[in-house]
Amino acid sequence: NAGVTQTPKFRILKIGQSMTLQCTQDMNHNYMYWYRQDPGMGLKLIYYSVGAGITDKGEVPNGYNVSRSTTEDFPLRLELAAPSQTSVYFCASSADGGFSYGYTFGSGTRLTVV
Amino acid sequence: GQNIDQPTEMTATEGAIVQINCTYQTSGFNGLFWYQQHAGEAPTFLSYNVLDGLEEKGRFSSFLSRSKGYSYLLLKELQMKDSASYLCAVSRLNSGYALNFGKGTSLLVTP
Repeated sequence: NAGVTQTPKFRILKIGQSMTLQCTQDMNHNYMYWYRQDPGMGLKLIYYSVGAGITDKGEVPNGYNVSRSTTEDFPLRLELAAPSQTSVYFCASSADGGFSYGYTFGSGTRLTVV
Repeated sequence: GQNIDQPTEMTATEGAIVQINCTYQTSGFNGLFWYQQHAGEAPTFLSYNVLDGLEEKGRFSSFLSRSKGYSYLLLKELQMKDSASYLCAVSRLNSGYALNFGKGTSLLVTP
């Protein structure tokens, strides 16, 4: 099925460990985004990309890194996990800045850092 | 920067009409979006307004006034399945058209 695929769906990390959250879309969308959602706080933008090879910081980028080597993939890297990074992470994409069909979200990754 | 405000919680009765308001302050406004999010799930697209006025899609309508920095989502003929969080989000011309979200309004539909 066409859409945005995120893996894993759940993960528990120990403080100081590293991991990569995977995000893949098969809609040939140029724009891709990473958000985190904490209870009662809404979604906060971590990083975004407007095309392969182009990424930029969002509102809360500290502790994260991204890369965009292909149109399809936009992985999010956590280098030294901290309890403050316990959250639900959503990847999203859009073809044209959301004008035609909005933004498509992945199903999310629920991350717990202990 | 941006500031997006919407009520935290609302309750309405099945079959009724409910209006969820959203006010925003932003630079480089490029459109206002409404998303629905059920607990434990991803947000799903409901509506998009870039010009002033009302957009209607079935039981859902959304209104925008750019001069007032104001939008509302109107839900008609409420159903139990409409119990969810409703997210108001603003798209900006910079930041790759990224959405900036409000904290969401949790709507409870009661019998």
